[in-house]
Amino acid sequence: AQSVAQPEDQVNVAEGNPLTVKCTYSVSGNPYLFWYVQYPNRGLQFLLKYITGDNLVKGSYGFEAEFNKSQTSFHLKKPSALVSDSALYFCAVSPRMDSSYKLIFGSGTRLLVRP
Amino acid sequence: GAGVSQSPRYKVTKRGQDVALRCDPISGHVSLYWYRQALGQGPEFLTYFNYEAQQDKSGLPNDRFSAERPEGSISTLTIQRTEQRDSAMYRCASSLGTGNTEAFFGQGTRLTVV
Repeated sequence: AQSVAQPEDQVNVAEGNPLTVKCTYSVSGNPYLFWYVQYPNRGLQFLLKYITGDNLVKGSYGFEAEFNKSQTSFHLKKPSALVSDSALYFCAVSPRMDSSYKLIFGSGTRLLVRP
Repeated sequence: GAGVSQSPRYKVTKRGQDVALRCDPISGHVSLYWYRQALGQGPEFLTYFNYEAQQDKSGLPNDRFSAERPEGSISTLTIQRTEQRDSAMYRCASSLGTGNTEAFFGQGTRLTVV
């Protein structure tokens, strides 16, 4: 079965420190990979995506993610966290062989950045 | 419109009643998706439209759930004879329709069945 795992329910980091939110996937082929963020009372917002090419992709708000094919991982990173980054983050994959391009989401990781 | 619009934002209904949830996608977006998100979980796929054609409904949990997009724009997700287990956030998303483009999500409809 195709799945996405976010092993940490919550990540705590101090403002100014680097952050990593982990994501691994079990999907056949070479899927498209995405990160979305959810702020309270708001919809899911797109952060970044990996389609092909450079394994390090840059996205909105200074976030980046590193694709590792051998480890089937797509960890989200930011060099210096801000308190305003505190939110719920979702990793998602879209199997290339699926013509609907539907997204398979992880269960989410809550990021808490303390001042 | 500027973004994906869903209505109502909140819906409380009694068990056994039918509900209709509306989604107005971004203008020009070919693909439309419905997802359901339980508390503490990621969204789960329900169904997908390409223009007006419902091309994947594999995620609909049972035959009480149905969806339509008759003119290839606005879509309605209908739940008949609602049950308490249907309570969740229902999210709509639209995209340009190719795998390398991101989906844009609406704010969702919070459905509570009492």
